[in-house]
Amino acid sequence: EAQVTQNPRYLITVTGKKLTVTCSQNMNHEYMSWYRQDPGLGLRQIYYSMNVEVTDKGDVPEGYKVSRKEKRNFPLILESPSPNQTSLYFCASSPHGNNYGYTFGSGTRLTVV
Amino acid sequence: KNQVEQSPQSLIILEGKNCTLQCNYTVSPFSNLRWYKQDTGRGPVSLTIMTFSENTKSNGRYTATLDADTKQSSLHITASQLSDSASYICVVANSGYSTLTFGKGTMLLVSP
Repeated sequence: EAQVTQNPRYLITVTGKKLTVTCSQNMNHEYMSWYRQDPGLGLRQIYYSMNVEVTDKGDVPEGYKVSRKEKRNFPLILESPSPNQTSLYFCASSPHGNNYGYTFGSGTRLTVV
Repeated sequence: KNQVEQSPQSLIILEGKNCTLQCNYTVSPFSNLRWYKQDTGRGPVSLTIMTFSENTKSNGRYTATLDADTKQSSLHITASQLSDSASYICVVANSGYSTLTFGKGTMLLVSP
């Protein structure tokens, strides 16, 4: 089944403790992206990647890192999480940028205390 | 600044009734417009995607329209079902790789 898989689904952590949210897609998509969703704000882009080893900042990149060492994986790294990063995170992929529909993962609900 | 405005913010309808959700955008240059359905706590799922030359597209009981001249789109849901209760998000893509502009969504509740 074609899908975008995120892990974990839920995560509670403490301020300052590094964490990684994984994202993997099995559709050979070139484009991958991370979003966060907060009440009243809608989905906002954190980082995106047009292909392997090519990443760029979205609208709200502060406090996050990403890497794209292989086509299928696009992990989101929080080096020193803070409470304002408590949010619902989604990974998405697309065959080739904006001209195609996106497939979203099921989401990761992160709470930083 | 690229913007997508959706209305209403929320809507309650009775099961079996029809409804229409609105989306106005100011994204340029325009590439395509998508409607997504998002169940609470889940990832958005694509309903329709329309390019500049398309003015209507259907997906089962969902019909989207696009007026590129007035920069407006609508999503019409026919014979609503309880499972239609969700947030409906309008997303506009500009030409290129990176930029999608998301609306804040319309929260639809279908009541028995």
